[in-house]
Amino acid sequence: QSALTQPRSVSGSPGQSVTISCTGTSSDVGGYNYVSWYQQHPGKAPKLMIYDVSKRPSGVPDRFSGSKSGNTASLTISGLQAEDEADYYCCSYAGSYTLFGGGTKLTVL
Amino acid sequence: EVQLVESGGGLVQPGRSLRLSCAASGFTFDDYAMHWVRQAPGKGLEWVSGISWNSGSIGYADSVKGRFTISRDNAKNSLYLQMNSLRAEDTALYYCAKDLGPRVVVTATWGQGTLVTVSS
Repeated sequence: QSALTQPRSVSGSPGQSVTISCTGTSSDVGGYNYVSWYQQHPGKAPKLMIYDVSKRPSGVPDRFSGSKSGNTASLTISGLQAEDEADYYCCSYAGSYTLFGGGTKLTVL
Repeated sequence: EVQLVESGGGLVQPGRSLRLSCAASGFTFDDYAMHWVRQAPGKGLEWVSGISWNSGSIGYADSVKGRFTISRDNAKNSLYLQMNSLRAEDTALYYCAKDLGPRVVVTATWGQGTLVTVSS
């Protein structure tokens, strides 16, 4: 059970787009269409932003989108806003367990 | 509105036990799988355990397998985590989370967490 691999940090200016990658294996990300993404602001509980690779829960802006190719999933945030600055975690179902990525800190410049 | 309220955290010595509880409200508890996820201070998220709607499917992270036991009481709308043989590395904020469906697949809605500190 090795954690999924995410970049430690990404950054972008307001209005720009950023993409966060999440790399796993054929036993997790590549094997199931059950990748999810979470946003966590300091001192707060994580919030589900994307599930089933590309679906958005009610209330999540359509600026957030997800995709997957092979063993790598991606979260793209377009039209960056100051409030998007947070930690982002990917997560994948892996059969009998679930794996999180190490997290990516998004800085809005 | 979905509400998940964790309790039972605290300071415990290495090797001792602790039982966490999660009181659920605002949804039909026995329709959904449930999870425990933890976050060590200043660190990332780690999935700990998940249990299906009817307790028929249970999973654990390797780091807690054999020491932690997840359970649920659908009549009481409650989720539990029995933690035995605690170690310093188990120190974390423990979140209870609701799945999107009856199987253990994705953590959707989270509580605010209960802090467990393992130290002598």
